[in-house]
Amino acid sequence: AQSVTQLGSHVSVSEGALVLLRCNYSSSVPPYLFWYVQYPNQGLQLLLKYTTGATLVKGINGFEAEFKKSETSFHLTKPSAHMSDAAEYFCAVSDPPGFQKLVFGTGTRLLVSP
Amino acid sequence: SAVISQKPSRDICQRGTSLTIQCQVDSQVTMMFWYRQQPGQSLTLIATANQGSEATYESGFVIDKFPISRPNLTFSTLTVSNMSPEDSSIYLCATATSGQETQYFGPGTRLLVL
Repeated sequence: AQSVTQLGSHVSVSEGALVLLRCNYSSSVPPYLFWYVQYPNQGLQLLLKYTTGATLVKGINGFEAEFKKSETSFHLTKPSAHMSDAAEYFCAVSDPPGFQKLVFGTGTRLLVSP
Repeated sequence: SAVISQKPSRDICQRGTSLTIQCQVDSQVTMMFWYRQQPGQSLTLIATANQGSEATYESGFVIDKFPISRPNLTFSTLTVSNMSPEDSSIYLCATATSGQETQYFGPGTRLLVL
């Protein structure tokens, strides 16, 4: 069965600092991997995804993530945090091809201080 | 991506009553999904709704409690029946289109059961 582990329910950074949100997955087949962001009182917005091909994927708002099969990881990074990045971030996995259910991690709340 | 709306955006209900949540998409989609996000927790898939067939429910969710309709390719409803305070959650619909692996989410319905 698939599973996702997000280390750290809360991550605090200063504005301008590096953002690193960790995600490890378990899947019996090469997975599809996703990062979603949820701003307060809103739904989920897709940040980026990995399906096949290049293992470093770039998303919106300056975020990127690298698929590392050997480490079963898909960590999310951003070189310089902005106050507007404060939100809840969810990593999710699904089996290919499409239309499979998403299995979500427990989420990481990113706090950005001035 | 499709624009997804949900009604109502939030509601406060009395225990024992039922609430029907609507999900409307501005374009035809192949699959529609319903997720629950309990307070402070991650998202859990309730069921997958295909047009013209019965919804497929995940373990722990039953049709009598969460009946779903999918009358066409742009609309679905989820009913939360005989509500209890434990049903207080955010309910989100998501959509996926043939040939694409990404699910897009609506803004959610915030339900409080007293």
